[in-house]
Amino acid sequence: QSALTQPASVSGSPGQSITISCTGTSSDVGAYNYVSWYQQHPGEAPKLMISDVSKRPSGVSNRFSGSKSGNTASLTISGLQAEDEADYFCTSYTSSSTFEFGGGTKLTVL
Amino acid sequence: EVQLVESGGVLVQPGGSLRLSCAASGFTFSTYWMHWVRQVPGKGLVWVSRINSDGSKTSYADSVKGRFTISRDNAKNTVYLQMNSLRAEDTAVYYCARGYVFFDVWGRGTLVTVSS
Repeated sequence: QSALTQPASVSGSPGQSITISCTGTSSDVGAYNYVSWYQQHPGEAPKLMISDVSKRPSGVSNRFSGSKSGNTASLTISGLQAEDEADYFCTSYTSSSTFEFGGGTKLTVL
Repeated sequence: EVQLVESGGVLVQPGGSLRLSCAASGFTFSTYWMHWVRQVPGKGLVWVSRINSDGSKTSYADSVKGRFTISRDNAKNTVYLQMNSLRAEDTAVYYCARGYVFFDVWGRGTLVTVSS
């Protein structure tokens, strides 16, 4: 059982927007603005999509955005494209100086 | 090109030991914190360990504390993971990753299989 809770799957049609939630506790997500999101295609290494809750690294499409409210962080993907179909993982720094990942969310573009 | 390349993954018996290596290139390795993250194929990511830029500070997931040791050699641009008392549940692809509180560069991983 992962420390951070994500939905197992989400889906959307091309052009639509979807949001993936990541729920933790006051010792991780709620304690720090150190939530990051990763995209992983089958057989590939994860790729950083969002850091520090809402910062987008250079080269990542502005269709990806992040936010946080209390103990829950969210990743929103707007204007869904076929290439967005992948697994998405959140992670947070914790008060124990460790990191927790979410269980991952499989995004299907219909 | 910024790159991380892991090596050392093999089939090992339960109770055995193994050392993974991660060679860095294309950036000033000695200024970055480094991590190990593992993933059972088809499952989620699990953070394993972190080391600061000069090797003086480390932290570990509870599941590996006391069995795994992270270290680095900044002269060789390499971070290591010494894995002792291996268990079947340690079977996974092990990735090294660069970063302080997020992971902006990842290697392609090395597969460790613990089985008799």
